[in-house]
Amino acid sequence: AQRVTQPEKLLSVFKGAPVELKCNYSYSGSPELFWYVQYSRQRLQLLLRHISRESIKGFTADLNKGETSFHLKKPFAQEEDSAMYYCAPLGAAGNKLTFGGGTRVLVKP
Amino acid sequence: DTGVSQNPRHKITKRGQNVTFRCDPISEHNRLYWYRQTLGQGPEFLTYFQNEAQLEKSRLLSDRFSAERPKGSFSTLEIQRTEQGDSAMYLCASSLLGGGRVTEAFFGQGTRLTVV
Repeated sequence: AQRVTQPEKLLSVFKGAPVELKCNYSYSGSPELFWYVQYSRQRLQLLLRHISRESIKGFTADLNKGETSFHLKKPFAQEEDSAMYYCAPLGAAGNKLTFGGGTRVLVKP
Repeated sequence: DTGVSQNPRHKITKRGQNVTFRCDPISEHNRLYWYRQTLGQGPEFLTYFQNEAQLEKSRLLSDRFSAERPKGSFSTLEIQRTEQGDSAMYLCASSLLGGGRVTEAFFGQGTRLTVV
C-alpha cells in the first residue's frame, strides 16, 4: 500500500536555526516527490519537486531512494517559514498526489 | 483571478441534507482532483478526472458522494444525506498532463463543510 509518513507533527525552532522535516514513503515504482506548503489563511501551494533540483526560499530536499526518504531542509529558518508542510509523492502514471499528515513549523523570533 | 476557484467557501447544512460544491480549474488544465481534509490531517484523495472521464475513485468515496465534470471544464461534488462525519474542508486541484508529464497541482482555497 502507498504510504507517506511525516513523523513530526510540530517543529519549533528559533530564527536562524536549521530546520529539517522528515518524510518517508512506501511506494511501488519510482514516484516523483513534492513538498507542498500552506501558509496561514492561504491555499496549499507547491514548494518544490525533486526533479527540478531547485532551491526554493532556501529549502532543499534530498531524495534517498535506498531509504525511501525525501527530507526537507533549510539551514537558517526565518519567521516567514512558519507554515504547514506536506510531503506528497505522485503515483505511477502521474495519477494523483498522496499527502503525508503534515508538519507544522513554528519559527520563533 | 486565474487560479482554481471553489464555491461556496463555506457551507453549513443540517444532517440529512444534500450539498453540492463547484470547482473551476485553471482553464487549460485537463486534470482535476478532489481531496478532503480534516483537522490535523493531510489532504486525502477522493477522485480525479482526465478531461470529462472520472479515472479513479478512492474507497473513501461512499455511495453518497458523486462527482462530475460534464464538459471537461468545471466539476461538481455532491454529497447526499450528509452526516456529521462529512464535516471537512473539500479541496479541488487541477494540473496539466502533456507530453507524458504532469505539471504541479494547483489548489483552490477549499469549501469548508459543517454538518450540524
